[in-house]
Amino acid sequence: GAGVSQSPSNKVTEKGKDVELRCDPISGHTALYWYRQRLGQGLEFLIYFQGNSAPDKSGLPSDRFSAERTGESVSTLTIQRTQQEDSAVYLCASSLIFADGYTFGSGTRLTVV
Amino acid sequence: AQSVTQLGSHVSVSEGALVLLRCNYSSSVPPYLFWYVQYPNQGLQLLLKYTTGATLVKGINGFEAEFKKSETSFHLTKPSAHMSDAAEYFCAVSPLYGNNRLAFGKGNQVVVIP
Repeated sequence: GAGVSQSPSNKVTEKGKDVELRCDPISGHTALYWYRQRLGQGLEFLIYFQGNSAPDKSGLPSDRFSAERTGESVSTLTIQRTQQEDSAVYLCASSLIFADGYTFGSGTRLTVV
Repeated sequence: AQSVTQLGSHVSVSEGALVLLRCNYSSSVPPYLFWYVQYPNQGLQLLLKYTTGATLVKGINGFEAEFKKSETSFHLTKPSAHMSDAAEYFCAVSPLYGNNRLAFGKGNQVVVIP
């Protein structure tokens, strides 16, 4: 596609429920990144995919968080048993050549009530 | 490991005045450097980048930044602020070799005063 697409754009969920966040990167971009942005804070790295492999999962905050990528395309970030501190904007980005920088999606705003 | 420091979470500037946003980084190797802008309810958009070559780089919307290795800085400037420049600005850094992961600063929320 023309840009990075994320869905849903907004998600309100009850504490303890599982959520899935989706990212469609730019076609052909081999690298895909997930970041979290809490209110008033910078971007927190979560995970990085090169192709379908995740060489760097170091940013996932707990074992409730997982992510996968298939077909070197779509990625899904799953948060199990959501907690209120998971409320944030989750941003996905993709790149082909790292020196060109990332292209970001518009994010998914997750609110846990 | 690399890190980025952006001082002053909120920056107020009068319309027509100079915009100056400071970014300092720590990196064990020469880095790639980026500035991104985020408008309300949108993702981040690349403003400009430094990889190699000329240390003064020009970006979109009249912004520019200068890489100063001796000062480990990459400050962002615009000579004359417009109302449309009101947004959040993030500096980011990554080493030339490594995990390709960008480390972001905490951001500067720019408010333009008419």
